[in-house]
Amino acid sequence: DTAVSQTPKYLVTQMGNDKSIKCEQNLGHDTMYWYKQDSKKFLKIMFSYNNKELIINETVPNRFSPKSPDKAHLNLHINSLELGDSAVYFCASSQAAGQEQYFGPGTRLTVL
Amino acid sequence: DQQVKQNSPSLSVQEGRISILNCDYTNSMFDYFLWYKKYPAEGPTFLISISSIKDKNEDGRFTVFLNKSAKHLSLHIVPSQPGDSAVYFCAAKGAGSYQLTFGKGTKLSVIP
Repeated sequence: DTAVSQTPKYLVTQMGNDKSIKCEQNLGHDTMYWYKQDSKKFLKIMFSYNNKELIINETVPNRFSPKSPDKAHLNLHINSLELGDSAVYFCASSQAAGQEQYFGPGTRLTVL
Repeated sequence: DQQVKQNSPSLSVQEGRISILNCDYTNSMFDYFLWYKKYPAEGPTFLISISSIKDKNEDGRFTVFLNKSAKHLSLHIVPSQPGDSAVYFCAAKGAGSYQLTFGKGTKLSVIP
């Protein structure tokens, strides 16, 4: 059984569209994260939720909005997609904030 | 500004030999360090960690060494196996912080 799952795995879309990426963890963890891996291969934190409360909100455009309906889910909605949003987005979770993180398989977003 | 640096983008090692992956950091507030392993089209997988109160942590074939005065850590894999071929990310966390700062990764190739 997959511990941290993301859907979709690949997403190709046009500039200006709105899209969502879903993340679910079945580990019973309290904290979830979204990372972006850009073309330079850096993994950069975007957001983190602990028990559905936002605890990390790095400097990302407000076109990106995370939503955590419950502890096991953290979805990422992106409005008005731009070319520069093309990247691999990883979801992760940890037992508690600051502990080892377990990553999902990633979603490769391509904006044309 | 890269706070965690992995200066070798790639490393090739013969099967059975030792692999040494290096990582340098600049932020003296970092007190917890982790290594992640990543295969293509998968998310990073936690490998081993070390707290700043230690200078060595061992887990099977994997050993992490921390030199706080030099702000340097290294991951040793002995003996190296072809299945170890992957990208290895170094990550660091500050005291009381929730977020990990990642290096750019080193691609290890273990040659049979």
